[in-house]
Amino acid sequence: AQSVTQLDSQVPVFEEAPVELRCNYSSSVSVYLFWYVQYPNQGLQLLLKYLSGSTLVKGINGFEAEFNKSQTSFHLRKPSVHISDTAEYFCAVSEGPGGSNYKLTFGKGTLLTVNP
Amino acid sequence: NAGVTQTPKFQVLKTGQSMTLQCAQDMNHEYMSWYRQDPGMGLRLIHYSVGAGITDQGEVPNGYNVSRSTTEDFPLRLLSAAPSQTSVYFCASSYSTRGNTEAFFGQGTRLTVV
Repeated sequence: AQSVTQLDSQVPVFEEAPVELRCNYSSSVSVYLFWYVQYPNQGLQLLLKYLSGSTLVKGINGFEAEFNKSQTSFHLRKPSVHISDTAEYFCAVSEGPGGSNYKLTFGKGTLLTVNP
Repeated sequence: NAGVTQTPKFQVLKTGQSMTLQCAQDMNHEYMSWYRQDPGMGLRLIHYSVGAGITDQGEVPNGYNVSRSTTEDFPLRLLSAAPSQTSVYFCASSYSTRGNTEAFFGQGTRLTVV
């Protein structure tokens, strides 16, 4: 069985500061990894995904994540955050190859609050 | 292109009532799923479908039924609502092209059972 642990439930930062949201996963097979963002009262939007290839993945809104197989991690980073990045962020995993993206396992979420 | 559409957006039910949450997608995706989101719990898979006529249980299926008679629609039925089913429900659709996999989510249905 696969599982996802988001190590921080809340991360407060100041505007223009760098941020890292941590995600660890466990799975007995190869995985596909995702980060989703949820703005207040909205659905989930895909930020980025790792399927294979380069371990550094770039996504939308200036976010990037690095897949580390030995540490089973997929941490999300942004070098300079904006007030508009305030949202909840979810790390998710599906078993690959083939994705099985209809059976995502989510972490519990990290609430990123960007303060002026 | 509407993507994934969920109705209603909000609903209040009394304990024991039944209702159906609707989900429709216009992207011709073969896969559809239902998740519930509870504070501090992330999203948990309720049921999923890999094609018309094929459904299966996820992590938290008890109290919910689904069916998939068409590619476009995947309704979620609560047969006898309980306060523990108070949650935000999300429907997602996706496709199986290898190497390009992504789930698209609806805007959610906020359900309160009193």
